[in-house]
Amino acid sequence: KNQVEQSPQSLIILEGKNCTLQCNYTVSPFSNLRWYKQDTGRGPVSLTIMTFSENTKSNGRYTATLDADTKQSSLHITASQLSDSASYICVVSPGAGSYQLTFGKGTKLSVIP
Amino acid sequence: GAVVSQHPSWVICKSGTSVKIECRSLDFQATTMFWYRQFPKQSLMLMATSNEGSKATYEQGVEKDKFLINHASLTLSTLTVTSAHPEDSSFYICSATSRGSQYQPQHFGDGTRLSIL
Repeated sequence: KNQVEQSPQSLIILEGKNCTLQCNYTVSPFSNLRWYKQDTGRGPVSLTIMTFSENTKSNGRYTATLDADTKQSSLHITASQLSDSASYICVVSPGAGSYQLTFGKGTKLSVIP
Repeated sequence: GAVVSQHPSWVICKSGTSVKIECRSLDFQATTMFWYRQFPKQSLMLMATSNEGSKATYEQGVEKDKFLINHASLTLSTLTVTSAHPEDSSFYICSATSRGSQYQPQHFGDGTRLSIL
């Protein structure tokens, strides 16, 4: 069964600190992995998309890494801001002509002053 | 960037009412749209996939007669929850993508909070 597991489930950090969120997946076949940010009561917003051949991708203070061999990904947030408080969702696409996505449950990040 | 507009953002209605939710792609042609449901602290669950001009494909366990989906144009898809009951209360989110590379991100609407009394 295709699954995406994220850890931790929730995280509280001080403003200005860095943090790393983890994602393990068992989706096969694998095409690409995406990280989304979802603010409370809003739809997810894409942060990064990585194919199996990409190891890292950055978007401002967000840096995602991917190890397709171990089927692990991480999202690193640098110099966190209060506006980073949200749920971060790891999403895997199986490719092979399919648009269907497998979603993780997300990590709820709270940045406090 | 690609914008998907979802309307309404919040609905409260009585049990037995039918509710229509609209999903529009504002600046691109969405050949494929997706409808998701999200319960509190849960991940998004795909309900159905709709391609413009054809019938929607529903996920297992989703009643197609209860959740009517229409994707009549390249910029609009609608989800109608027929005879809604309290257990249908949830956060409904649509997303859209255009034909081409499956590496393109799905662009999500801001969701519709549906509360059935």
